[in-house]
Amino acid sequence: GNSVTQMEGPVTLSEEAFLTINCTYTATGYPSLFWYVQYPGEGLQLLLKATKADDKGSNKGFEATYRKETTSFHLEKGSVQVSDSAVYFCALSPQNTGNQFYFGTGTSLTVIP
Amino acid sequence: DGGITQSPKYLFRKEGQNVTLSCEQNLNHDAMYWYRQDPGQGLRLIYYSQIVNDFQKGDIAEGYSVSREKKESFPLTVTSAQKNPTAFYLCASNKRVGETQYFGPGTRLLVL
Repeated sequence: GNSVTQMEGPVTLSEEAFLTINCTYTATGYPSLFWYVQYPGEGLQLLLKATKADDKGSNKGFEATYRKETTSFHLEKGSVQVSDSAVYFCALSPQNTGNQFYFGTGTSLTVIP
Repeated sequence: DGGITQSPKYLFRKEGQNVTLSCEQNLNHDAMYWYRQDPGQGLRLIYYSQIVNDFQKGDIAEGYSVSREKKESFPLTVTSAQKNPTAFYLCASNKRVGETQYFGPGTRLLVL
């Protein structure tokens, strides 16, 4: 079946530290992969996406590379800011199985000054 | 501005009462979704609709109902059969299979 496994949180980092949030997936074929961010009390916002193997999604200093050989889509940022504090969700959209998305459980990030 | 709106932001339900959460989009998207989010947990799919007048149950449909009479609107009713309705409810939409889902701001449902 289809599933997403995310690194357990919460994660606490100092400002300007390097961030990695691990995400691995199980899917048949070639799914599209996404990272969403959720700020307190709000809906999810798309952060970045990749639709085929070896694609790199990037936005606001965040990056993730679609690695089919390791079925991974790890989120990275070189220098986090306090404003990056949020919950991050990894998600996949399977190929040819309707419109359903599969979300990870989310990783809470707190950045301290 | 195009987007998804949800109302109300907060909703209170009394025992035995049905309540309806509104979701409207002006993105011309064909597909719409309802998710439930509990504290510290991921999203669970309640219902989704790929076209007008058609919808399918998701993973946790029991105690909920939906309608899709217009492309722009996908209201969710939380019925009295849903015994633990307290949660954050998120509506989303996308144009077609595999494309990005866009989310509304959410409705927080609380039980009195």
